[in-house]
Amino acid sequence: AAGVIQSPRHLIKEKRETATLKCYPIPRHDTVYWYQQGPGQDPQFLISFYEKMQSDKGSIPDRFSAQQFSDYHSELNMSSLELGDSALYFCASSSTGGRYNEQFFGPGTRLTVL
Amino acid sequence: AQSVAQPEDQVNVAEGNPLTVKCTYSVSGNPYLFWYVQYPNRGLQFLLKYITGDNLVKGSYGFEAEFNKSQTSFHLKKPSALVSDSALYFCAVRDMTGYQKVTFGIGTKLQVIP
Repeated sequence: AAGVIQSPRHLIKEKRETATLKCYPIPRHDTVYWYQQGPGQDPQFLISFYEKMQSDKGSIPDRFSAQQFSDYHSELNMSSLELGDSALYFCASSSTGGRYNEQFFGPGTRLTVL
Repeated sequence: AQSVAQPEDQVNVAEGNPLTVKCTYSVSGNPYLFWYVQYPNRGLQFLLKYITGDNLVKGSYGFEAEFNKSQTSFHLKKPSALVSDSALYFCAVRDMTGYQKVTFGIGTKLQVIP
């Protein structure tokens, strides 16, 4: 069965650069969630989208923005990168018509800021 | 590889009765375990975690979880269920080595019946 796809899997950037992470949900899933997990930390919810509209917002810095496109894939844009942004970013998708809105998680993108 | 199992697809409980949501895990080394709750179309919210110490961990909203090393379990409990507790509950384990990636279970839907 198809799973959530994230690209790239690994990304290395320098301070003050920008980065774009992509998430491709499971086909027919209409909701995407973004999470950030810093080294040795618990995952933190960043933001979510349902039918291309922001549905919930967590601890997402103002330097970050995200959107969901017509094909339901989502992109997380990160500007003015800081060392503290180094983390594993993973997204999840769910379907409002699916099993209790269960979230399926992608493998994550490991971002390293030098 | 680490894994989490939530054997129950759904748990139904009458309001005011005690509830238990089951979770078992597999991880090399010492586990770092936690529970998250998801309300419809919302991001995951942290409930509680276990690192070390007392096997009974108390968390948000009156929830608690019992760590049992011999049974490799971390069941979520609450003495008296509320209708507002109805949601999807995720158990997760974090590997304490390497990058400490989190692995989530598939979730259990809790339905509290008035």
